[in-house]
Amino acid sequence: GESVGLHLPTLSVQEGDNSIINCAYSNSASDYFIWYKQESGKGPQFIIDIRSNMDKRQGQRVTVLLNKTVKHLSLQIAATQPGDSAVYFCAENLDGGTSYGKLTFGQGTILTVHP
Amino acid sequence: DAMVIQNPRYQVTQFGKPVTLSCSQTLNHNVMYWYQQKSSQAPKLLFHYYDKDFNNEADTPDNFQSRRPNTSFCFLDIRSPGLGDAAMYLCATSRDWASWDFGAGTRLSVL
Repeated sequence: GESVGLHLPTLSVQEGDNSIINCAYSNSASDYFIWYKQESGKGPQFIIDIRSNMDKRQGQRVTVLLNKTVKHLSLQIAATQPGDSAVYFCAENLDGGTSYGKLTFGQGTILTVHP
Repeated sequence: DAMVIQNPRYQVTQFGKPVTLSCSQTLNHNVMYWYQQKSSQAPKLLFHYYDKDFNNEADTPDNFQSRRPNTSFCFLDIRSPGLGDAAMYLCATSRDWASWDFGAGTRLSVL
């Protein structure tokens, strides 16, 4: 079987509430960040991204905030719905000095939305 | 339609028996990545191909190998699977550093 995994942080909210998921990233040289949603048994699904020259970006029902001073990223989900229940990962792009990047994922947070 | 396709979705192998996981893409992306994701953990990069150039992560065990015969296909070979290799294996592609696409993953069980 698989190795015993770490216990991911969890966030439980009621349907209709706003959710805030936090992430601390590791490399001050990272220049691009992505939030992914991962449902059970599926691959990561892109939610929203932000570049290091921005501190806020909004999408449909989602907002990402970037604080480079403390290397902190957050994802805000407005009017959370049961379909938002999933594991959420932040990922940072570590520029390897070439024209492409390598994504490194943060720990992940389990979001549970109660009807 | 899925643009990064992983086969099979579920794979069962025996301890020590070589196994190959497959990834194909219709995006014509020049970079392909393999990630390992264990239960309740984040995906961890094993290696990637930039065109035909193979790039191994420093901590990827020698037990893991990869092949990329052409732009569309990339394979993950596990030469002698151990119980600790049971995980979800994710394939991803990118054209540039703002455009990653992930497959649905292959869940590997080792008996």
